[in-house]
Amino acid sequence: GAVVSQHPSWVICKSGTSVKIECRSLDFQATTMFWYRQFPKQSLMLMATSNEGSKATYEQGVEKDKFLINHASLTLSTLTVTSAHPEDSSFYICSVSGTVVQKLFFGSGTQLSVL
Amino acid sequence: EDQVTQSPEALRLQEGESSSLNCSYTVSGLRGLFWYRQDPGKGPEFLFTLYSAGEEKEKERLKATLTKKESFLHITAPKPEDSATYLCAVQGSYGQNFVFGPGTRLSVLP
Repeated sequence: GAVVSQHPSWVICKSGTSVKIECRSLDFQATTMFWYRQFPKQSLMLMATSNEGSKATYEQGVEKDKFLINHASLTLSTLTVTSAHPEDSSFYICSVSGTVVQKLFFGSGTQLSVL
Repeated sequence: EDQVTQSPEALRLQEGESSSLNCSYTVSGLRGLFWYRQDPGKGPEFLFTLYSAGEEKEKERLKATLTKKESFLHITAPKPEDSATYLCAVQGSYGQNFVFGPGTRLSVLP
């Protein structure tokens, strides 16, 4: 299966700062990438879908100005949490989906803690 | 709207005690049903894709089956290392999004 690298694995930041999370598809041309958020003991909640070279599509209730997504190439997508607040603390996971293989491959996730 | 439910929410088994996890779904045209395993603090790991009713797939102690309304993940003679959360997801024909169920937290006691 595809190898998806996500960094950092965990980050602690102060309230009001911005945090960038990177998601790289190492051996797979990822035309579409998904960003999920997961709270403890809950399932994955889709935040946004990004297609290479175009603007991301955000799910209802997700602030696009707060969660900036950039999918500039077929191998890299970034999620920037701007002006983070404690309620943004969560586990963020990216996934990739190709054009031929429709199943999702996931990164290892990023645990964000905002103090 | 596509929906996925899973039961039970949590399951405790003794090592060697076989059981099944259920995934019920409603979707507008099923493109695929997916099973994933997720360990704490990690991203989901792909297990199976099922495409049509009647299809079955196996991997080691796991076997996934599919009907028009639900899927089962059968686990035979589980071991403690099978402890994880098992997620079910569907992708409908009219969108690229995957809809995930809430998962079943499986604990296998030695």
